[in-house]
Amino acid sequence: AQSVTQPDIHITVSEGASLELRCNYSYGATPYLFWYVQSPGQGLQLLLKYFSGDTLVQGIKGFEAEFKRSQSSFNLRKPSVHWSDAAEYFCAVGRMNSGNTPLVFGKGTRLSVIA
Amino acid sequence: GAVVSQHPSRVICKSGTSVKIECRSLDFQATTMFWYRQFPKQSLMLMATSNEGSKATYEQGVEKDKFLINHASLTLSTLTVTSAHPEDSSFYICSAKGPLSNQPQHFGDGTRLSIL
Repeated sequence: AQSVTQPDIHITVSEGASLELRCNYSYGATPYLFWYVQSPGQGLQLLLKYFSGDTLVQGIKGFEAEFKRSQSSFNLRKPSVHWSDAAEYFCAVGRMNSGNTPLVFGKGTRLSVIA
Repeated sequence: GAVVSQHPSRVICKSGTSVKIECRSLDFQATTMFWYRQFPKQSLMLMATSNEGSKATYEQGVEKDKFLINHASLTLSTLTVTSAHPEDSSFYICSAKGPLSNQPQHFGDGTRLSIL
C-alpha cells in the first residue's frame, strides 16, 4: 500500500527566505504525486502534480517540486517566501490505473512566515 | 482549472437536526467523489468514496446510517449528517475527480458544522 511521510510538522521561515518542504512516499511503481495547500478554514488547492517526464515540475504561486526516484522523495520548494504563503501543505500520492481510488495524503506541514 | 463548489460553508444547528451538505463539480464530470472529515490541526480523514450511480464505500469506523451519501449525477454528491450530535461537529470537505487515474482530486472549500 502507498504511504506518504512529511517529516516536518511545523516550519517557520522568514519572509523572503527560501523554502523546502519534505515529502517521502512509499509505492512499488511510479506514483502520481501532488502537492496541495490549505489556508485556515478553506479546502485544499492543488499547487502542482507529477505524472511522468521532467522530474522538476512547476506549479502555481511560484512553487516547484522535484521527483527523485532514488530517494522516493517529492520535495516542494520556493525561492522566496511571501507572508501569504503561511498555510498547511499536504503531499499526496496516487496510483496508476486506479481512477476511483482516493489519494493518500501525508499528515501535513504547517508553514509559518515571520517578518 | 476545475472548480468544486461546496455548500453551505457553515452550519450551526441544534442537536438532533439532520444536515445536508452539497458538493458540485462546476466544469467537469466527477465520476468519483470523496468525503473527508478534518479535525483541528490534523490531516484529512477519508470517510467515504462514492461513484456516480453506485452506493458509497465507507471507511472502517464510519457509520453509513449516520452519514448518508448520495451521488446521483456526475456533478452532484450530497452528505447528510442524520440526527447530528455535538460530537459530529467538525470540518467536512468534499473532493471530486474525473475517471482517469492521472487526474487530480479537486476540493471544495469545506463546511464547518457546529452542533449545539
